[in-house]
Parts: sequence; C-alpha cells; structure tokens
Amino acid sequence: NAGVTQTPKFQVLKTGQSMTLQCAQDMNHEYMSWYRQDPGMGLRLIHYSVGAGITDQGEVPNGYNVSRSTTEDFPLRLLSAAPSQTSVYFCASRWGRGFNSPLHFGNGTRLTVT
Amino acid sequence: EDKVVQSPLSLVVHEGDTVTLNCSYEVTNFRSLLWYKQEKKAPTFLFMLTSSGIEKKSGRLSSILDKKELFSILNITATQTGDSAIYLCAVPSQGGSEKLVFGKGTKLTVNP
Repeated sequence: NAGVTQTPKFQVLKTGQSMTLQCAQDMNHEYMSWYRQDPGMGLRLIHYSVGAGITDQGEVPNGYNVSRSTTEDFPLRLLSAAPSQTSVYFCASRWGRGFNSPLHFGNGTRLTVT
Repeated sequence: EDKVVQSPLSLVVHEGDTVTLNCSYEVTNFRSLLWYKQEKKAPTFLFMLTSSGIEKKSGRLSSILDKKELFSILNITATQTGDSAIYLCAVPSQGGSEKLVFGKGTKLTVNP
C-alpha cells in the first residue's frame, strides 16, 4: 500500500515552460486535492476533485489546470511556468465527502522556476 | 472569509518542557478542526476535533476544542527532539465542505 505518490520530487523549470506534476493514490479515495506551501503562507488549496470527472477551484487556482479521468490519478498542469509558482506542491486525498476523515498527503514536489 | 490563525508562529524550547500551541478560527457552520504535524516532508494527521470540551489524547500529545471561544490548543508534555516540526491547524471552509483551510503553522524547535 503506497498511499499518495507524487512525482517528480524535484523540478527546475525556466519561465514559460510547461510541465505536469503527477499524483496517484491507491486507497480508492474519492477526494483528491493539490496544495502549495510557501514560507510564512501555510498550505493553500489550488484545485480539488470529489471524484472522477469532477474538479473545482480552490483558493489559488490561477496558472494551474487539473483533470480527473480516473479515481487513482490527479495530475496538476502548469501551462506557462512563472517564478511566482516556485513552491512545494502537495497532493492529498481522503475517503468520502466532507471532512469526517483526515487528508493523507504525498511527500511533495519541490518546484523552482527561474 | 474563513480564517485560521495559529500562535505562536515559532517556538524554541528545551527537552522536557511542556508547550501549548494555539489555533483560533473564524468559519460559518463549523464542522471540525484538524491538527497535523509536518516534519521534513508530508504533513501527518494528529487529531480531529468536533465537540467542545472533549480532550483527544495520543501519548504526550493532547488537544481540546472550545467552540464557544472559537479556538483549539495542542499540548505537548515532556517534549523530545523528535517533536521538532511544524504543527498545522485546519478547518473545513464554509465555501464548501470539500475545502480545508490551513493556518500558517507553528514551528516548534526542541533543543537537547
């Protein structure tokens, strides 16, 4: 049971480049989400999904796209990277709806945009 | 707008000390409050609190919720160097039960 797996662990991009951060979970969780963590800012929600085919915006969605074609996978796409997107990105999932069960986090992807 | 405020933002103590971390919140239709511990990588779940006055306990860690005064505390007794971490507090947002709003965290450093 791997839990929530994020790839890559580290990535350096140049401004304007695109990339996809991968997230997969093997716990059959309906809910998946992406957060970014910046010094002094805490964790901020980017996008989330309550099931395959359903996505919605969080607190800071601009510059990011998501899709949820399967229960297991929830990739985060940066279409044109900007230095302001330098951050640590966490994918998280949980069982069911509402917050009666806790989030399970991946180990994060550290992204640097130069 | 929903808000979670943690204090202090950082704290340095010696092994064996007892610490109290604070989390205050403003959210409509409160459902629950969650505490996480973050060491080098992923945050890990500590407690979920839904009822006032009922203490949750796990080893040297305990937490309690006050829904009237809109805050929670996390206590750690007999601290150890392994307790050094960022402690995060979060509540589901009124904007939808599917959004979890986090505070900025308290960075705890326990020195030997």
